[in-house]
Amino acid sequence: DVKVTQSSRYLVKRTGEKVFLECVQDMDHENMFWYRQDPGLGLRLIYFSYDVKMKEKGDIPEGYSVSREKKERFSLILESASTNQTSMYLCASRLLDRAAFFGQGTRLTVV
Amino acid sequence: QKEVEQNSGPLSVPEGAIASLNCTYSDRGSQSFFWYRQYSGKSPELIMSIYSNGDKEDGRFTAQLNKASQYVSLLIRDSQPSDSATYLCAVIVGGGNKLTFGTGTQLKVEL
Repeated sequence: DVKVTQSSRYLVKRTGEKVFLECVQDMDHENMFWYRQDPGLGLRLIYFSYDVKMKEKGDIPEGYSVSREKKERFSLILESASTNQTSMYLCASRLLDRAAFFGQGTRLTVV
Repeated sequence: QKEVEQNSGPLSVPEGAIASLNCTYSDRGSQSFFWYRQYSGKSPELIMSIYSNGDKEDGRFTAQLNKASQYVSLLIRDSQPSDSATYLCAVIVGGGNKLTFGTGTQLKVEL
């Protein structure tokens, strides 16, 4: 079974802090994704990566950056957390042209 | 125009009925389509993948794809209360690696 693991299930951070969300997959998948999910807005793509050190902006990249130094790990960075970044963050990975599998999600609260 | 569109619902069906969920997409070059189910507070889980025109059946689920009309649907036969969830349609857009989701349709199966 594919396993996608996110580093934290719940996280509380202060406004202005630098926040790191980590995601690790164990199936040698090329593609990895970061989404945020908010009520009524569905899953919105922040960034994705199609290979090591390769990344592309999704639909809402502002205020975020990503890092993929190793194939199995994809990190989402909030450079200076703000209250409007309070959300559920979901990481996913997939093989080319196949379905994506999700981690358990990180519920981030910025106070 | 949104890349992937779904009615938000809720769609209410009685137990044992057929639930029909629909999704339209804007990128005519899209080749890969997925249906996910998401229970409240949980991550999305894959139900079906479909890549070619026509129907694909898996147990009580049937996915239908019509590329000419740019829609994909999911039929759930013999609906059960445990099917009550939000159903997300996802599409690989742009002929590349971007996996985009609709906002989801909430399904309620009533006793």
